[in-house]
Amino acid sequence: NAGVMQNPRHLVRRRGQEARLRCSPMKGHSHVYWYRQLPEEGLKFMVYLQKENIIDESGMPKERFSAEFPKEGPSILRIQQVVRGDSAAYFCASSPTAQETQYFGPGTRLLVL
Amino acid sequence: LAKTTQPISMDSYEGQEVNITCSHNNIATNDYITWYQQFPSQGPRFIIQGYKTKVTNEVASLFIPADRKSSTLSLPRVSLSDTAVYYCLVGGYSSASKIIFGSGTRLSIRP
Repeated sequence: NAGVMQNPRHLVRRRGQEARLRCSPMKGHSHVYWYRQLPEEGLKFMVYLQKENIIDESGMPKERFSAEFPKEGPSILRIQQVVRGDSAAYFCASSPTAQETQYFGPGTRLLVL
Repeated sequence: LAKTTQPISMDSYEGQEVNITCSHNNIATNDYITWYQQFPSQGPRFIIQGYKTKVTNEVASLFIPADRKSSTLSLPRVSLSDTAVYYCLVGGYSSASKIIFGSGTRLSIRP
């Protein structure tokens, strides 16, 4: 059973461009979570999705950030008009139900020039 | 969601037992206690989870006193490869389902 997959592993964007981060949950997992980690800090929750629904987006910046988890395909975290402060590692986690352990992917490291 | 407090860093030597204690004074009745390990440039890896008393797996043990206001992760006979950041987390398994990460404990193992 493959683990949580994220791609790309590294992404470089210039200010003002768009960044799209993809997450494929573990097989059988329908709950997906996105976290952001700045250097030397812990992970910060961004958004929790279940197939086709956003359950909790309390950690997501109100502007430029959006997330989706379509019926088919991976979950996408989209950052529009990136700024240097968006540079961070973005981790995705999945779980089979909301009450079970979350398993994390390897992360996508975004660098905004 | 309960906040956790754990030491910022710890040092130990290969072959020693390491105990990392986490405080979570306002833990809720439904909350579980979970520990993750994170190596540089990798995602957090689940280590162990418990609700009360003692839990043991092939990697670690978790000790939880009766009042559940703290917990201790015990790593037996550590090696250099155990050098990582360890996060203690509480909650995340009730209605909110999001995990609140603290700053973690940076464990350094020396030869």
